[in-house]
Amino acid sequence: DTGVSQNPRHKITKRGQNVTFRCDPISEHNRLYWYRQTLGQGPEFLTYFQNEAQLEKSRLLSDRFSAERPKGSFSTLEIQRTEQGDSAMYLCASSRPGTGGDGYTFGSGTRLTVV
Amino acid sequence: DQQVKQNSPSLSVQEGRISILNCDYTNSMFDYFLWYKKYPAEGPTFLISISSIKDKNEDGRFTVFLNKSAKHLSLHIVPSQPGDSAVYFCAASPTGNQFYFGTGTSLTVIP
Repeated sequence: DTGVSQNPRHKITKRGQNVTFRCDPISEHNRLYWYRQTLGQGPEFLTYFQNEAQLEKSRLLSDRFSAERPKGSFSTLEIQRTEQGDSAMYLCASSRPGTGGDGYTFGSGTRLTVV
Repeated sequence: DQQVKQNSPSLSVQEGRISILNCDYTNSMFDYFLWYKKYPAEGPTFLISISSIKDKNEDGRFTVFLNKSAKHLSLHIVPSQPGDSAVYFCAASPTGNQFYFGTGTSLTVIP
């Protein structure tokens, strides 16, 4: 069990560019969550998957954001036409069904800086 | 619209004493409550939970209290240890899936 892996750890991009982050959950976890954390705030829910199905999306997830989990294993989060306000830590978590937040295992996050 | 609030950004406590971290929420539909602990450069790690049918849950040195009528929960750590120094987030959810997090309290335990 290597935990939840997120890549890259850091990403610096110019405004207007597209970026993609990857999350590899714990292998037996079929639920996967994306959260965003800005400076001085707690994590904010973006979306979650059960297997390959995207079951909930926050209104924070604008049209420029898209998340996929094509085979029910790893997930990608893409941000198109990045803006400075997108600068944040993007956290992925996974869990078994029925465990709720006490079963979440978070990754170490991808820190995005938009310049 | 912050549905979960931690009004103390920081707290300092002497080693061996009790640490009390507080959290307030606004949504009466919240039924699941958690505390997470976060060290720098790491993701949050689960600490302790409580559901709305209970008013107290204890796990070793950590106890969470829930007052539903006041929409308030608290985390007690006793005795506090230097390794407890971290940022603590409370989180709440109506369903156990999407969680709303507070802004965190940075706890420093002084040796």
